[in-house]
Amino acid sequence: EPEVTQTPSHQVTQMGQEVILRCVPISNHLYFYWYRQILGQKVEFLVSFYNNEISEKSEIFDDQFSVERPDGSNFTLKIRSTKLEDSAMYFCASRVNRDRGGTDTQYFGPGTRLTVL
Amino acid sequence: GENVEQHPSTLSVQEGDSAVIKCTYSDSASNYFPWYKQELGKRPQLIIDIRSNVGEKKDQRIAVTLNKTAKHFSLHITETQPEDSAVYFCAASRGSGGSYIPTFGRGTSLIVHP
Repeated sequence: EPEVTQTPSHQVTQMGQEVILRCVPISNHLYFYWYRQILGQKVEFLVSFYNNEISEKSEIFDDQFSVERPDGSNFTLKIRSTKLEDSAMYFCASRVNRDRGGTDTQYFGPGTRLTVL
Repeated sequence: GENVEQHPSTLSVQEGDSAVIKCTYSDSASNYFPWYKQELGKRPQLIIDIRSNVGEKKDQRIAVTLNKTAKHFSLHITETQPEDSAVYFCAASRGSGGSYIPTFGRGTSLIVHP
């Protein structure tokens, strides 16, 4: 069964540095998402992406964040200048467009644990 | 925006007992309600979902019920097993089309004692 993959599994960075988190969604999926989960807390939506542009974003997704789909397979989240409070697990997810006979189910990747020192 | 409340935060049961986790939501336009199981250090995995045109859905030992009028939905696990131990998250969203943003509850840590 195809799965969403993410790299790296763990990223340690210094405050103020840029990080790029990478995701490979399931190949026939059309919607892509980034979420974060601070340790012990609930999953929080960051951004959704469809047709090469952002569909929606939360208040967490400020100017320090950006997303990109540089080729036909990768979906990246960039944090330009990391802060201590950016330390969290970042999950990528993808889904098929239900309007094309798919479902609303989002499939999550294994996550990247970001630690900002 | 949508607000999802989930209770209890922790649930401890004996193997074989049933477990019930409850969620309420605020946006009456929400029409898709997935439940995710997250084992320690792993990704959230969908275990069951329900759409607003259905009142109940069952899959083996797992069932979900939805009360649209009261805006609450519940997860029921029967004959619990130690491997059911995990954090369970409910979510509510307006599904399909371009906007599909699930709002998650805070999670319930289910502990099944052998």
